[in-house]
Amino acid sequence: GENVEQHPSTLSVQEGDSAVIKCTYSDSASNYFPWYKQELGKGPQLIIDIRSNVGEKKDQRIAVTLNKTAKHFSLHITETQPEDSAVYFCAARYSSASKIIFGSGTRLSIRP
Amino acid sequence: EAEVAQSPRYKITEKSQAVAFWCDPISGHATLYWYRQILGQGPELLVQFQDESVVDDSQLPKDRFSAERLKGVDSTLKIQPAELGDSAMYLCASSLTGNNSPLHFGNGTRLTVT
Repeated sequence: GENVEQHPSTLSVQEGDSAVIKCTYSDSASNYFPWYKQELGKGPQLIIDIRSNVGEKKDQRIAVTLNKTAKHFSLHITETQPEDSAVYFCAARYSSASKIIFGSGTRLSIRP
Repeated sequence: EAEVAQSPRYKITEKSQAVAFWCDPISGHATLYWYRQILGQGPELLVQFQDESVVDDSQLPKDRFSAERLKGVDSTLKIQPAELGDSAMYLCASSLTGNNSPLHFGNGTRLTVT
């Protein structure tokens, strides 16, 4: 069935270190993979997305990698800062239904 | 930057009462989504509209939930009667038409059923 698994559920890193969040999806026909950041009391905000025709995309301190063969994709945040503390969600668009399925989220905490 | 507007921001209701949420998408966005987010979990799609038509409501509990987008612009999600398990954040999102169009979320309505 349609499913996106996300790990870890919580992550604590020292300020300045890197953070990595990993997701797997079940539908090999999925072709769009967005990542969202959600701060307390707010809706999710898109931070980066990747299409299935590329393997990696970067935007300043944020990068996403996609391995279509293994059905894995990951979010990498380098040089973490206190404002990176939030809940991060991966998602995948299931082409059969054209709907976006979300992972269960990762609560990222940046230690000063 | 244009935003998705939702109201009310918070709603407290007693079980068995009716409750309604409103969403105004970003102008020009033909696709509108209602998601439910239980505390500590990811958003779960309830219903997806393309203009005024429902394209997916497979996860909408139709015995108590209804959604409409009569003119293909703003939308209303209703629950009647509300149950304790309906307590959650109800998020509305919109996007342009197309498989690779990103979703833009509003700040949600937090519902508490007592």
